[in-house]
Amino acid sequence: AQSVTQPDIHITVSEGASLELRCNYSYGATPYLFWYVQSPGQGLQLLLKYFSGDTLVQGIKGFEAEFKRSQSSFNLRKPSVHWSDAAEYFCAVAPLYGNKLVFGAGTILRVKS
Amino acid sequence: EPEVTQTPSHQVTQMGQEVILRCVPISNHLYFYWYRQILGQKVEFLVSFYNNEISEKSEIFDDQFSVERPDGSNFTLKIRSTKLEDSAMYFCASSEPGQASDTQYFGPGTRLTVL
Repeated sequence: AQSVTQPDIHITVSEGASLELRCNYSYGATPYLFWYVQSPGQGLQLLLKYFSGDTLVQGIKGFEAEFKRSQSSFNLRKPSVHWSDAAEYFCAVAPLYGNKLVFGAGTILRVKS
Repeated sequence: EPEVTQTPSHQVTQMGQEVILRCVPISNHLYFYWYRQILGQKVEFLVSFYNNEISEKSEIFDDQFSVERPDGSNFTLKIRSTKLEDSAMYFCASSEPGQASDTQYFGPGTRLTVL
């Protein structure tokens, strides 16, 4: 069965520091891969997605993610974190055929000044 | 920018009561979804809906649940007889052509509390 693992439940970084949020997936073939962000009281907003091609994907708000097939990973990165990035981040996968998203448990990002 | 809206933002109900959660998807979208997130747990897929019928559903989506598109704009999730374990945040989403590669746009959620 498909599964997504986000090993870090909470991460705290200082404003201006770099960030990497980890995501590993288990799936028979390379699925479609997504990162969503949820701010308090808001819905899930798509940051970026990977389907094929270049393994380094650029997203909104200065985020990027790198797909590594050998590690079944799709880690999210940002070179310099802003206080407004404090939120919960979800990695998700979708099969090549079908529509449902399978989510990881989420990582709560705290930014300290 | 068009967005998915959901009402109410918070619903409190007694166990055994029926609730209807409402969503207005983005207007030109063709696929509609419901997900839920029990506090402290993962966001879970419930059901997808296309062309006025369910296209996929999870094992969670049992006979207590139903979905409907009663008019050209609303998409509803009905829970016939709520249980305590139905307490969760329910998210509606929609996507354009409906392939897995297409972005699902999520609403802000309805927090359902069953007492």
